[in-house]
Amino acid sequence: QVQLQESGPGLVKPSQTLSLICTVSGDSISSGGYYWSWIRQHPGKGLEWIGYIYYTGVTYYNPSLKSRLTISVDTSRNQFSLKLNSVTAADTAVYYCARDSLVYGWFDPWGQGTLVTVSS
Amino acid sequence: DIQMTQSPSSLSASVGDRVTITCRASQSITRYLNWYQQKPGKVPKLLIYATSSLQSGVPSRFSGSGSGTDFTLTISSLQTEDFATYYCQQGYSTPRTFGQGTKVEVK
Repeated sequence: QVQLQESGPGLVKPSQTLSLICTVSGDSISSGGYYWSWIRQHPGKGLEWIGYIYYTGVTYYNPSLKSRLTISVDTSRNQFSLKLNSVTAADTAVYYCARDSLVYGWFDPWGQGTLVTVSS
Repeated sequence: DIQMTQSPSSLSASVGDRVTITCRASQSITRYLNWYQQKPGKVPKLLIYATSSLQSGVPSRFSGSGSGTDFTLTISSLQTEDFATYYCQQGYSTPRTFGQGTKVEVK
C-alpha cells in the first residue's frame, strides 16, 4: 500500500530554516495522478495546509506562508521536500506529508507526522 | 480563502447515540467536501470524500451529506472507537482549508 514518511530535524533554532523530506513508497510521484502536500498541526490545535507540489514541479503555497516557503520534488528518489525559512516559535508543530487528490482535494494517506520544535 | 466553520466545537454523547456534525463553507464549494477523524496522538484519517463517498474500510455507520455551503457528517450509532476529533476540509479551491474541528467526547 502507499506509505509516506517524513524525516528531518526535530529541533530548529529561531531564524533558521526548517527542512523536511517526505519519502513515498507504493506509488510513484511521477505517475501524475496526485498532488503531494504538506500539512501542519500546532500543538493542541487544528490542521493547516501548507502547500502542494505536482511531479512537474508546479507548486501552490498557502499565502500565509508563501514568502518563507519552498516545496520541491525529486522524482528520481520519489521524494518531495519542505523548506520554511526564518522560523519562529509559532512554527512549532507536527508536520505531515500527504497524498492530495487532484479531484476533490482529499488527503490520503498521510505520513506519521514529525514534531518540529523551534527553540534556541 | 474559503473559511470552514464546524459546529458544535465539542459534544458529549453516549455509545449508541446518533451524532451529527455540521460544516459550513463561506462560499459554495459544490460537493468538494471531505471529512477526517483524528484520535489523540494519531494521524488524521480520511473518512468521507466528495461529501458522501465512504473511504474504503470506513464503517457504514458514518455518512455524509450536503452541497453548496452546508454539509453534515452523521454517525448513526456511536461506538467506543468513534470518540475522536472530526475535521471537515474543502478541496474546491486553494488554499485548501479545514474546519476548526469537533471533539466528540464521552457523556
